[in-house]
Parts: sequence; C-alpha cells; structure tokens
Amino acid sequence: QKEVEQDPGPLSVPEGAIVSLNCTYSNSAFQYFMWYRQYSRKGPELLMYTYSSGNKEDGRFTAQVDKSSKYISLFIRDSQPSDSATYLCAMSAKGGKLIFGQGTELSVKP
Amino acid sequence: GAVVSQHPSWVICKSGTSVKIECRSLDFQATTMFWYRQFPKQSLMLMATSNEGSKATYEQGVEKDKFLINHASLTLSTLTVTSAHPEDSSFYICSASPGQQETQYFGPGTRLLVL
Repeated sequence: QKEVEQDPGPLSVPEGAIVSLNCTYSNSAFQYFMWYRQYSRKGPELLMYTYSSGNKEDGRFTAQVDKSSKYISLFIRDSQPSDSATYLCAMSAKGGKLIFGQGTELSVKP
Repeated sequence: GAVVSQHPSWVICKSGTSVKIECRSLDFQATTMFWYRQFPKQSLMLMATSNEGSKATYEQGVEKDKFLINHASLTLSTLTVTSAHPEDSSFYICSASPGQQETQYFGPGTRLLVL
C-alpha cells in the first residue's frame, strides 16, 4: 500500500463547478500537508499549506485536513478553464521527506 | 515571494556529454534543496537532498557518480548529469526549503533530451 493515495483521474468538469480533490494517507506521523498545482511542462506551484486539522481558505481554494481519518481534500469553487492542470497532494512528517500523491489531472471545460 | 529559478529550461545534448543544471532561490535562503525527476504522466521522484556545504544524500537507486550535486551557497545548487545517455532524458525539477517550515518551493523545471 502506498503511503499516499490520490485518484489520478482524469477529472472533467464544466466551468463554474465545484471541484473536490482528495488524498488518503497511512502514516500517522504526517503533520504537514500541501497542495500543488502543476501545469503541463512546468514545475509544481504551491497552492495551500496546512499544519493542523481543519479548514484553510484562500480565495476560491479551500484545503481540508482530517487527521483522524487520514484524509485531506482541496475544494475549488467557481472553477475556471485556467484551473485545468494536475493537482498534487503532498505531505511530510517533521524533518521527513515530502511524499507526493500520484496527481489528479483536472480539466475545466468552458 | 518564495521564487525558485532553474537554468536552462531545456537542453539537448549528445550522448556521452555532461550537462549542468542550476537551481537558485531568488528571494530566500534555502537551507535545503532537493532534486526531482519526473516522467510523463507520473508524479515526482526524489533523487537527492542537499544541504549547503555538505554532501548530498541520494535516494536508493540514484547513482551519485552520475548525478553530481553541489550546494555551494544558501541560494544555489547544481545538478550535473555526467556522461549522459538517452535514458537520462527526463524533466528535472529542483525545489528549495527555507528551513523554517516543512514546505518546498519548486523551480520551473529543466527538460533534458539526450540524443
């Protein structure tokens, strides 16, 4: 079993839809949780960084962490075609390596 | 803030030659830098971790003599692919961590094609 599981998609939604991206993990030592967005042929861009359980909002993006269920989510409201990219969840224990999910390919259709 | 640059963005070289890729943190000091490799439609594969002034720590299966890493300063790390072969063709991405937090900021990547 992989330490971090993420549905690779692809996920296709119409413009304006709410998108939900999810990752599960097995290592209870993970304390730091991140979401990265990667456009084709580019490096990953940090979208959200959370440390504790709960929600964190930034504009149209909301990151949710549930440590008891070992489950994290990223919600995108009012999705736009420019949101079309691959979304990677990543997490680490203190001082540990960053462990990535497989990435979910998202396509937002106009 | 937290900008990381890479140079070159793409390179084509002949088999047997060496290629150097630079990674710079532009607006922060990076106590730790990381080098990743990414194949099409796959996630990032960590190759090595480097701390300024010390030898890099390589992941299992990564040849340290083939992928030379130098972390000369708190803002610069280099990856040299020595005696490149076509199977080394890939997308190489560096990242840098400010050290105060666990997150990493990524460069734009370097696409290497070995003919």
